Amino acid sequence: AQKITQTQPGMFVQEKEAVTLDCTYDTSDPSYGLFWYKQPSSGEMIFLIYQGSYDQQNATEGRYSLNFQKARKSANLVISASQLGDSAMYFCAMREGGGDSSYKLIFGSGTRLLVRP
Amino acid sequence: DSGVTQTPKHLITATGQRVTLRCSPRSGDLSVYWYQQSLDQGLQFLIQYYNGEERAKGNILERFSAQQFPDLHSELNLSSLELGDSALYFCASSFRDRGRTGELFFGEGSRLTVL
Repeated sequence: AQKITQTQPGMFVQEKEAVTLDCTYDTSDPSYGLFWYKQPSSGEMIFLIYQGSYDQQNATEGRYSLNFQKARKSANLVISASQLGDSAMYFCAMREGGGDSSYKLIFGSGTRLLVRP
Repeated sequence: DSGVTQTPKHLITATGQRVTLRCSPRSGDLSVYWYQQSLDQGLQFLIQYYNGEERAKGNILERFSAQQFPDLHSELNLSSLELGDSALYFCASSFRDRGRTGELFFGEGSRLTVL
């Protein structure tokens, strides 16, 4: 069963506008973490933002915010004031538990975002 | 710069051959993770080592093996290579303090092309 689902293979956004990238997850573990990574065309994976399952508030990091809806099991990434440099592949990922020193992440299939000038 | 170093960055080889990919984690990180990113499979977790011991195993083929050495660098060995092994192989390391979020810091990847 798919644990992380990103239903948008590709998206366009106009420069300076906000965009939401969808992510839903599936887990029965009460303790988990949700991550977003950015992969530009150069290939590296860049960590953007983290949300813990017990966090009361939605995470924010600069222009990135995570719209965490626990009951719906969704963790959408919101990018405000899009810039041309935001054009990249975006991956949602989940870590379950984390006990016993294993922090492996399970990734979704990604959403390719293209910012139009 | 994530602090994770992977070599080589690019590798072209033939089917049936064997290659070794190397990873040096961030200073102080005890865990090393290997991921495979191919066009049709996305980012697949292969294996994790923690302080020299295998800690978690994912979709790693029997033709693949890995190890983590006392200095914490890790190697991923791929043998009897097939065309389908062509992919970007990432190494990542995690912050040693379990109180942190546990985000993974990725290297730039090793792009393997099997001809």
